[in-house]
Amino acid sequence: DIQMTQSPSSLSASVGDRVTITCRASQNVRTYLNWYRQKPGKAPELLIYAISRLQSGVPSRFSGSGSGADFTLTISSLQPEDFATYYCQQSYTTHMYTFGQGTKLEVK
Amino acid sequence: EVQLVESGGGLVQPGGSLRLSCVASGFTFNTYEMNWVRQAPGTGLQWVSYISSFSDTIYYADSVKGRFTISRDDAKNSVYLQMTSLRAEDTAVYYCARAKIGSGFDYWGQGTLVTVSS
Repeated sequence: DIQMTQSPSSLSASVGDRVTITCRASQNVRTYLNWYRQKPGKAPELLIYAISRLQSGVPSRFSGSGSGADFTLTISSLQPEDFATYYCQQSYTTHMYTFGQGTKLEVK
Repeated sequence: EVQLVESGGGLVQPGGSLRLSCVASGFTFNTYEMNWVRQAPGTGLQWVSYISSFSDTIYYADSVKGRFTISRDDAKNSVYLQMTSLRAEDTAVYYCARAKIGSGFDYWGQGTLVTVSS
């Protein structure tokens, strides 16, 4: 099974900051890497799919990059609604989708 | 507008059964793959099960294999999760999610809480 490891597990930042979250897969997942944001008490929402493609309606301050097994999510200028938990997910193996453990982004 | 609405959660004793439903609207349901994802209290997301658009391919997480059954009724725009032999560790919010082929889960329901406790 493919394991997904995110770092850091938590992060403190301020409105306007630029933040980066990393995700490492235990093997090559090609372009099948997605990112989600989950606000407290809400369902997750897809931000980025296929490493770097912005989901419709998602602000351009979100971007994704990487290749193979190493990926990053960058938020260029944090907004109040971005203080949430972020998850990466591999969709390379449809018989076993896997999420990272999550990165909680908190107010400094 | 795409909507997914789950129902069927509740309190059940260990060893019991429960059937979750997810009704879809706002898109051509029979052309999409669907999934169930769960989130235990205070923890992260765990994928549970997948069903293809023709129900010809079905997958389960190892932790639920043999106990949970996913199905769909395209006439009712619905996907189901039949859960049996429930354990305390199955306690979670269960979400249904639409799969965008090769591109993750683009729409999610609001979730339904399943609590397994005596």
